[in-house]
Amino acid sequence: DTEVTQTPKHLVMGMTNKKSLKCEQHMGHRAMYWYKQKAKKPPELMFVYSYEKLSINESVPSRFSPECPNSSLLNLHLHALQPEDSALYLCASSQVLAGGGGELFFGEGSRLTVL
Amino acid sequence: AQRVTQPEKLLSVFKGAPVELKCNYSYSGSPELFWYVQYSRQRLQLLLRHISRESIKGFTADLNKGETSFHLKKPFAQEEDSAMYYCAFTNTGGFKTIFGAGTRLFVKA
Repeated sequence: DTEVTQTPKHLVMGMTNKKSLKCEQHMGHRAMYWYKQKAKKPPELMFVYSYEKLSINESVPSRFSPECPNSSLLNLHLHALQPEDSALYLCASSQVLAGGGGELFFGEGSRLTVL
Repeated sequence: AQRVTQPEKLLSVFKGAPVELKCNYSYSGSPELFWYVQYSRQRLQLLLRHISRESIKGFTADLNKGETSFHLKKPFAQEEDSAMYYCAFTNTGGFKTIFGAGTRLFVKA
């Protein structure tokens, strides 16, 4: 299995809802990432987990809460989001090479709409 | 500051014409550089990376440290090359991959 799988593909939520995005990979990668991509913009890094530990948080608001329950799974818990948080959320994974990451393998993304 | 610059938002060429997508980076250390591509209705995927020095789908890119550039080139563009292309770099030994703004390549028949 050489794919990163994200669910759901589409999510609509209100500002008071709590929801989660899920990501799974079975390539044995020990680094996993969340990126946010707005329309016509490049992906922007949000979080990085290395060996199931959070190693990078790019000053993301606390209404986004990542979780890495094991080496294959990555979640992004969403609570009290704002309409401007509407975007495509991309999960990626990579090997850990010489202490860092390498080629990123991306999922298809979860398109989030906040009403 | 670490930055990747892709000066062209849109590049339109005729089939069979040469194509060059420009990328410049700003980083004081030794970066690892990549080109990622997103075809219509497909996920973002790696096209090539500078350390492998490969030619993928006829594309090549050479790292020029003096000019801090990593331009993507193909001598004869094909219609199936139409896609969004992102130049990206990762600081060596790190996990932070920074993407340029992207260039949309449109190859006309």
